[in-house]
Amino acid sequence: QKEVEQNSGPLSVPEGAIASLNCTYSDRGSQSFFWYRQYSGKSPELIMFIYSNGDKEDGRFTAQLNKASQYVSLLIRDSQPSDSATYLCAVRGSARQLTFGSGTQLTVLP
Amino acid sequence: SAVISQKPSRDICQRGTSLTIQCQVDSQVTMMFWYRQQPGQSLTLIATANQGSEATYESGFVIDKFPISRPNLTFSTLTVSNMSPEDSSIYLCSGGDSAFSEQYFGPGTRLTVT
Repeated sequence: QKEVEQNSGPLSVPEGAIASLNCTYSDRGSQSFFWYRQYSGKSPELIMFIYSNGDKEDGRFTAQLNKASQYVSLLIRDSQPSDSATYLCAVRGSARQLTFGSGTQLTVLP
Repeated sequence: SAVISQKPSRDICQRGTSLTIQCQVDSQVTMMFWYRQQPGQSLTLIATANQGSEATYESGFVIDKFPISRPNLTFSTLTVSNMSPEDSSIYLCSGGDSAFSEQYFGPGTRLTVT
């Protein structure tokens, strides 16, 4: 079992729709959870960071964390073509390092 | 947020040579890490750069191949030694402060070994 799993995609949504990205993790001792956006040829850009159960909102982005279910998600409201990228879920373990999922490629169709 | 820079941004190297990549953070950070991202793949942790002591390497990565230095809280280097074409990849430096803080990435170094 992979330590961090993401829905493999690719995922396509129409412009203005809600994009939903999901991630599960295996280590119950994980301390914090990250969503990065990566455009082709660029380095990962931090979008959201969460460490408490519940929802965290920042503009059009909402991260949801459920530690009991070992599940973290990212919702993108009013999706825009500029949101088209690969989204990486990462989990910080007890040794402080991040473990990444394989990424979900999102395409927002105009 | 921390701003991280890397040098060089890209390089083309010959088989058997070594390349040292520099990482500079604009503020002191407790944790610095080196990752590798091969084409079409996600990020794989190479090692944690520890200030004033030997780096902590992940399974599959060894000090002789990827020596790391971290002389202070804002700077680290990664050397890719005795390179082969399989080392062609993007190498990324990352920094953060605590278990409950953000972690940021540098722009990466794109290495091609011929």
